[in-house]
Amino acid sequence: QKEVEQNSGPLSVPEGAIASLNCTYSDRVSQSFFWYRQYSGKSPELIMSIYSNGDKEDGRFTAQLNKASQYVSLLIRDSQPSDSATYLCAVNSNDYKLSFGAGTTVTVRA
Amino acid sequence: GAVVSQHPSWVICKSGTSVKIECRSLDFQATTMFWYRQFPKQSLMLMATSNEGSKATYEQGVEKDKFLINHASLTLSTLTVTSAHPEDSSFYICSAREQNDQPQHFGDGTRLSIL
Repeated sequence: QKEVEQNSGPLSVPEGAIASLNCTYSDRVSQSFFWYRQYSGKSPELIMSIYSNGDKEDGRFTAQLNKASQYVSLLIRDSQPSDSATYLCAVNSNDYKLSFGAGTTVTVRA
Repeated sequence: GAVVSQHPSWVICKSGTSVKIECRSLDFQATTMFWYRQFPKQSLMLMATSNEGSKATYEQGVEKDKFLINHASLTLSTLTVTSAHPEDSSFYICSAREQNDQPQHFGDGTRLSIL
């Protein structure tokens, strides 16, 4: 079992719709969770950090964490063409290195 | 805030050349910096972790004599690819973190092409 698994893509959504990205992790003691966005040919950019169970909102992005289910998600509301990218779920392991999911590629159709 | 600067952005050089890449945290002190490599359409691969003032910890399969890492201050780490060959051509990305539970912030990456 991979340490961090993301829902397989690619994910195509129309402009203005909600994009929903899911991620599960295997290390039950993980405490820090991050979502990164990576445009093609660029380096990852931090979108959200979440540490506690529940929802965390930042602009059009909402991260949700459920430690009991070992599940973290990212919602992108009012999706824009500029949101088209690969989204990486990352979990801090017990040695404080990041374990990344394979990424979900999102395409927002204008 | 949390800006990481990486230079150069791209390098093209002949086989056998050594290439140095710099990574700087501009507005925070990075107790830990990381070096990654990414091939096209593939995931980030962690190469090494470096803490200020101590030797870098390399991931399995990464040659420490090939990829020299120096983390001399809380704001600067360098990666030197020694005697680079075409198979070393890749996208090298650094990241920096202030504390263990904080996110890693990535530099813009260095695209290395060895002819």
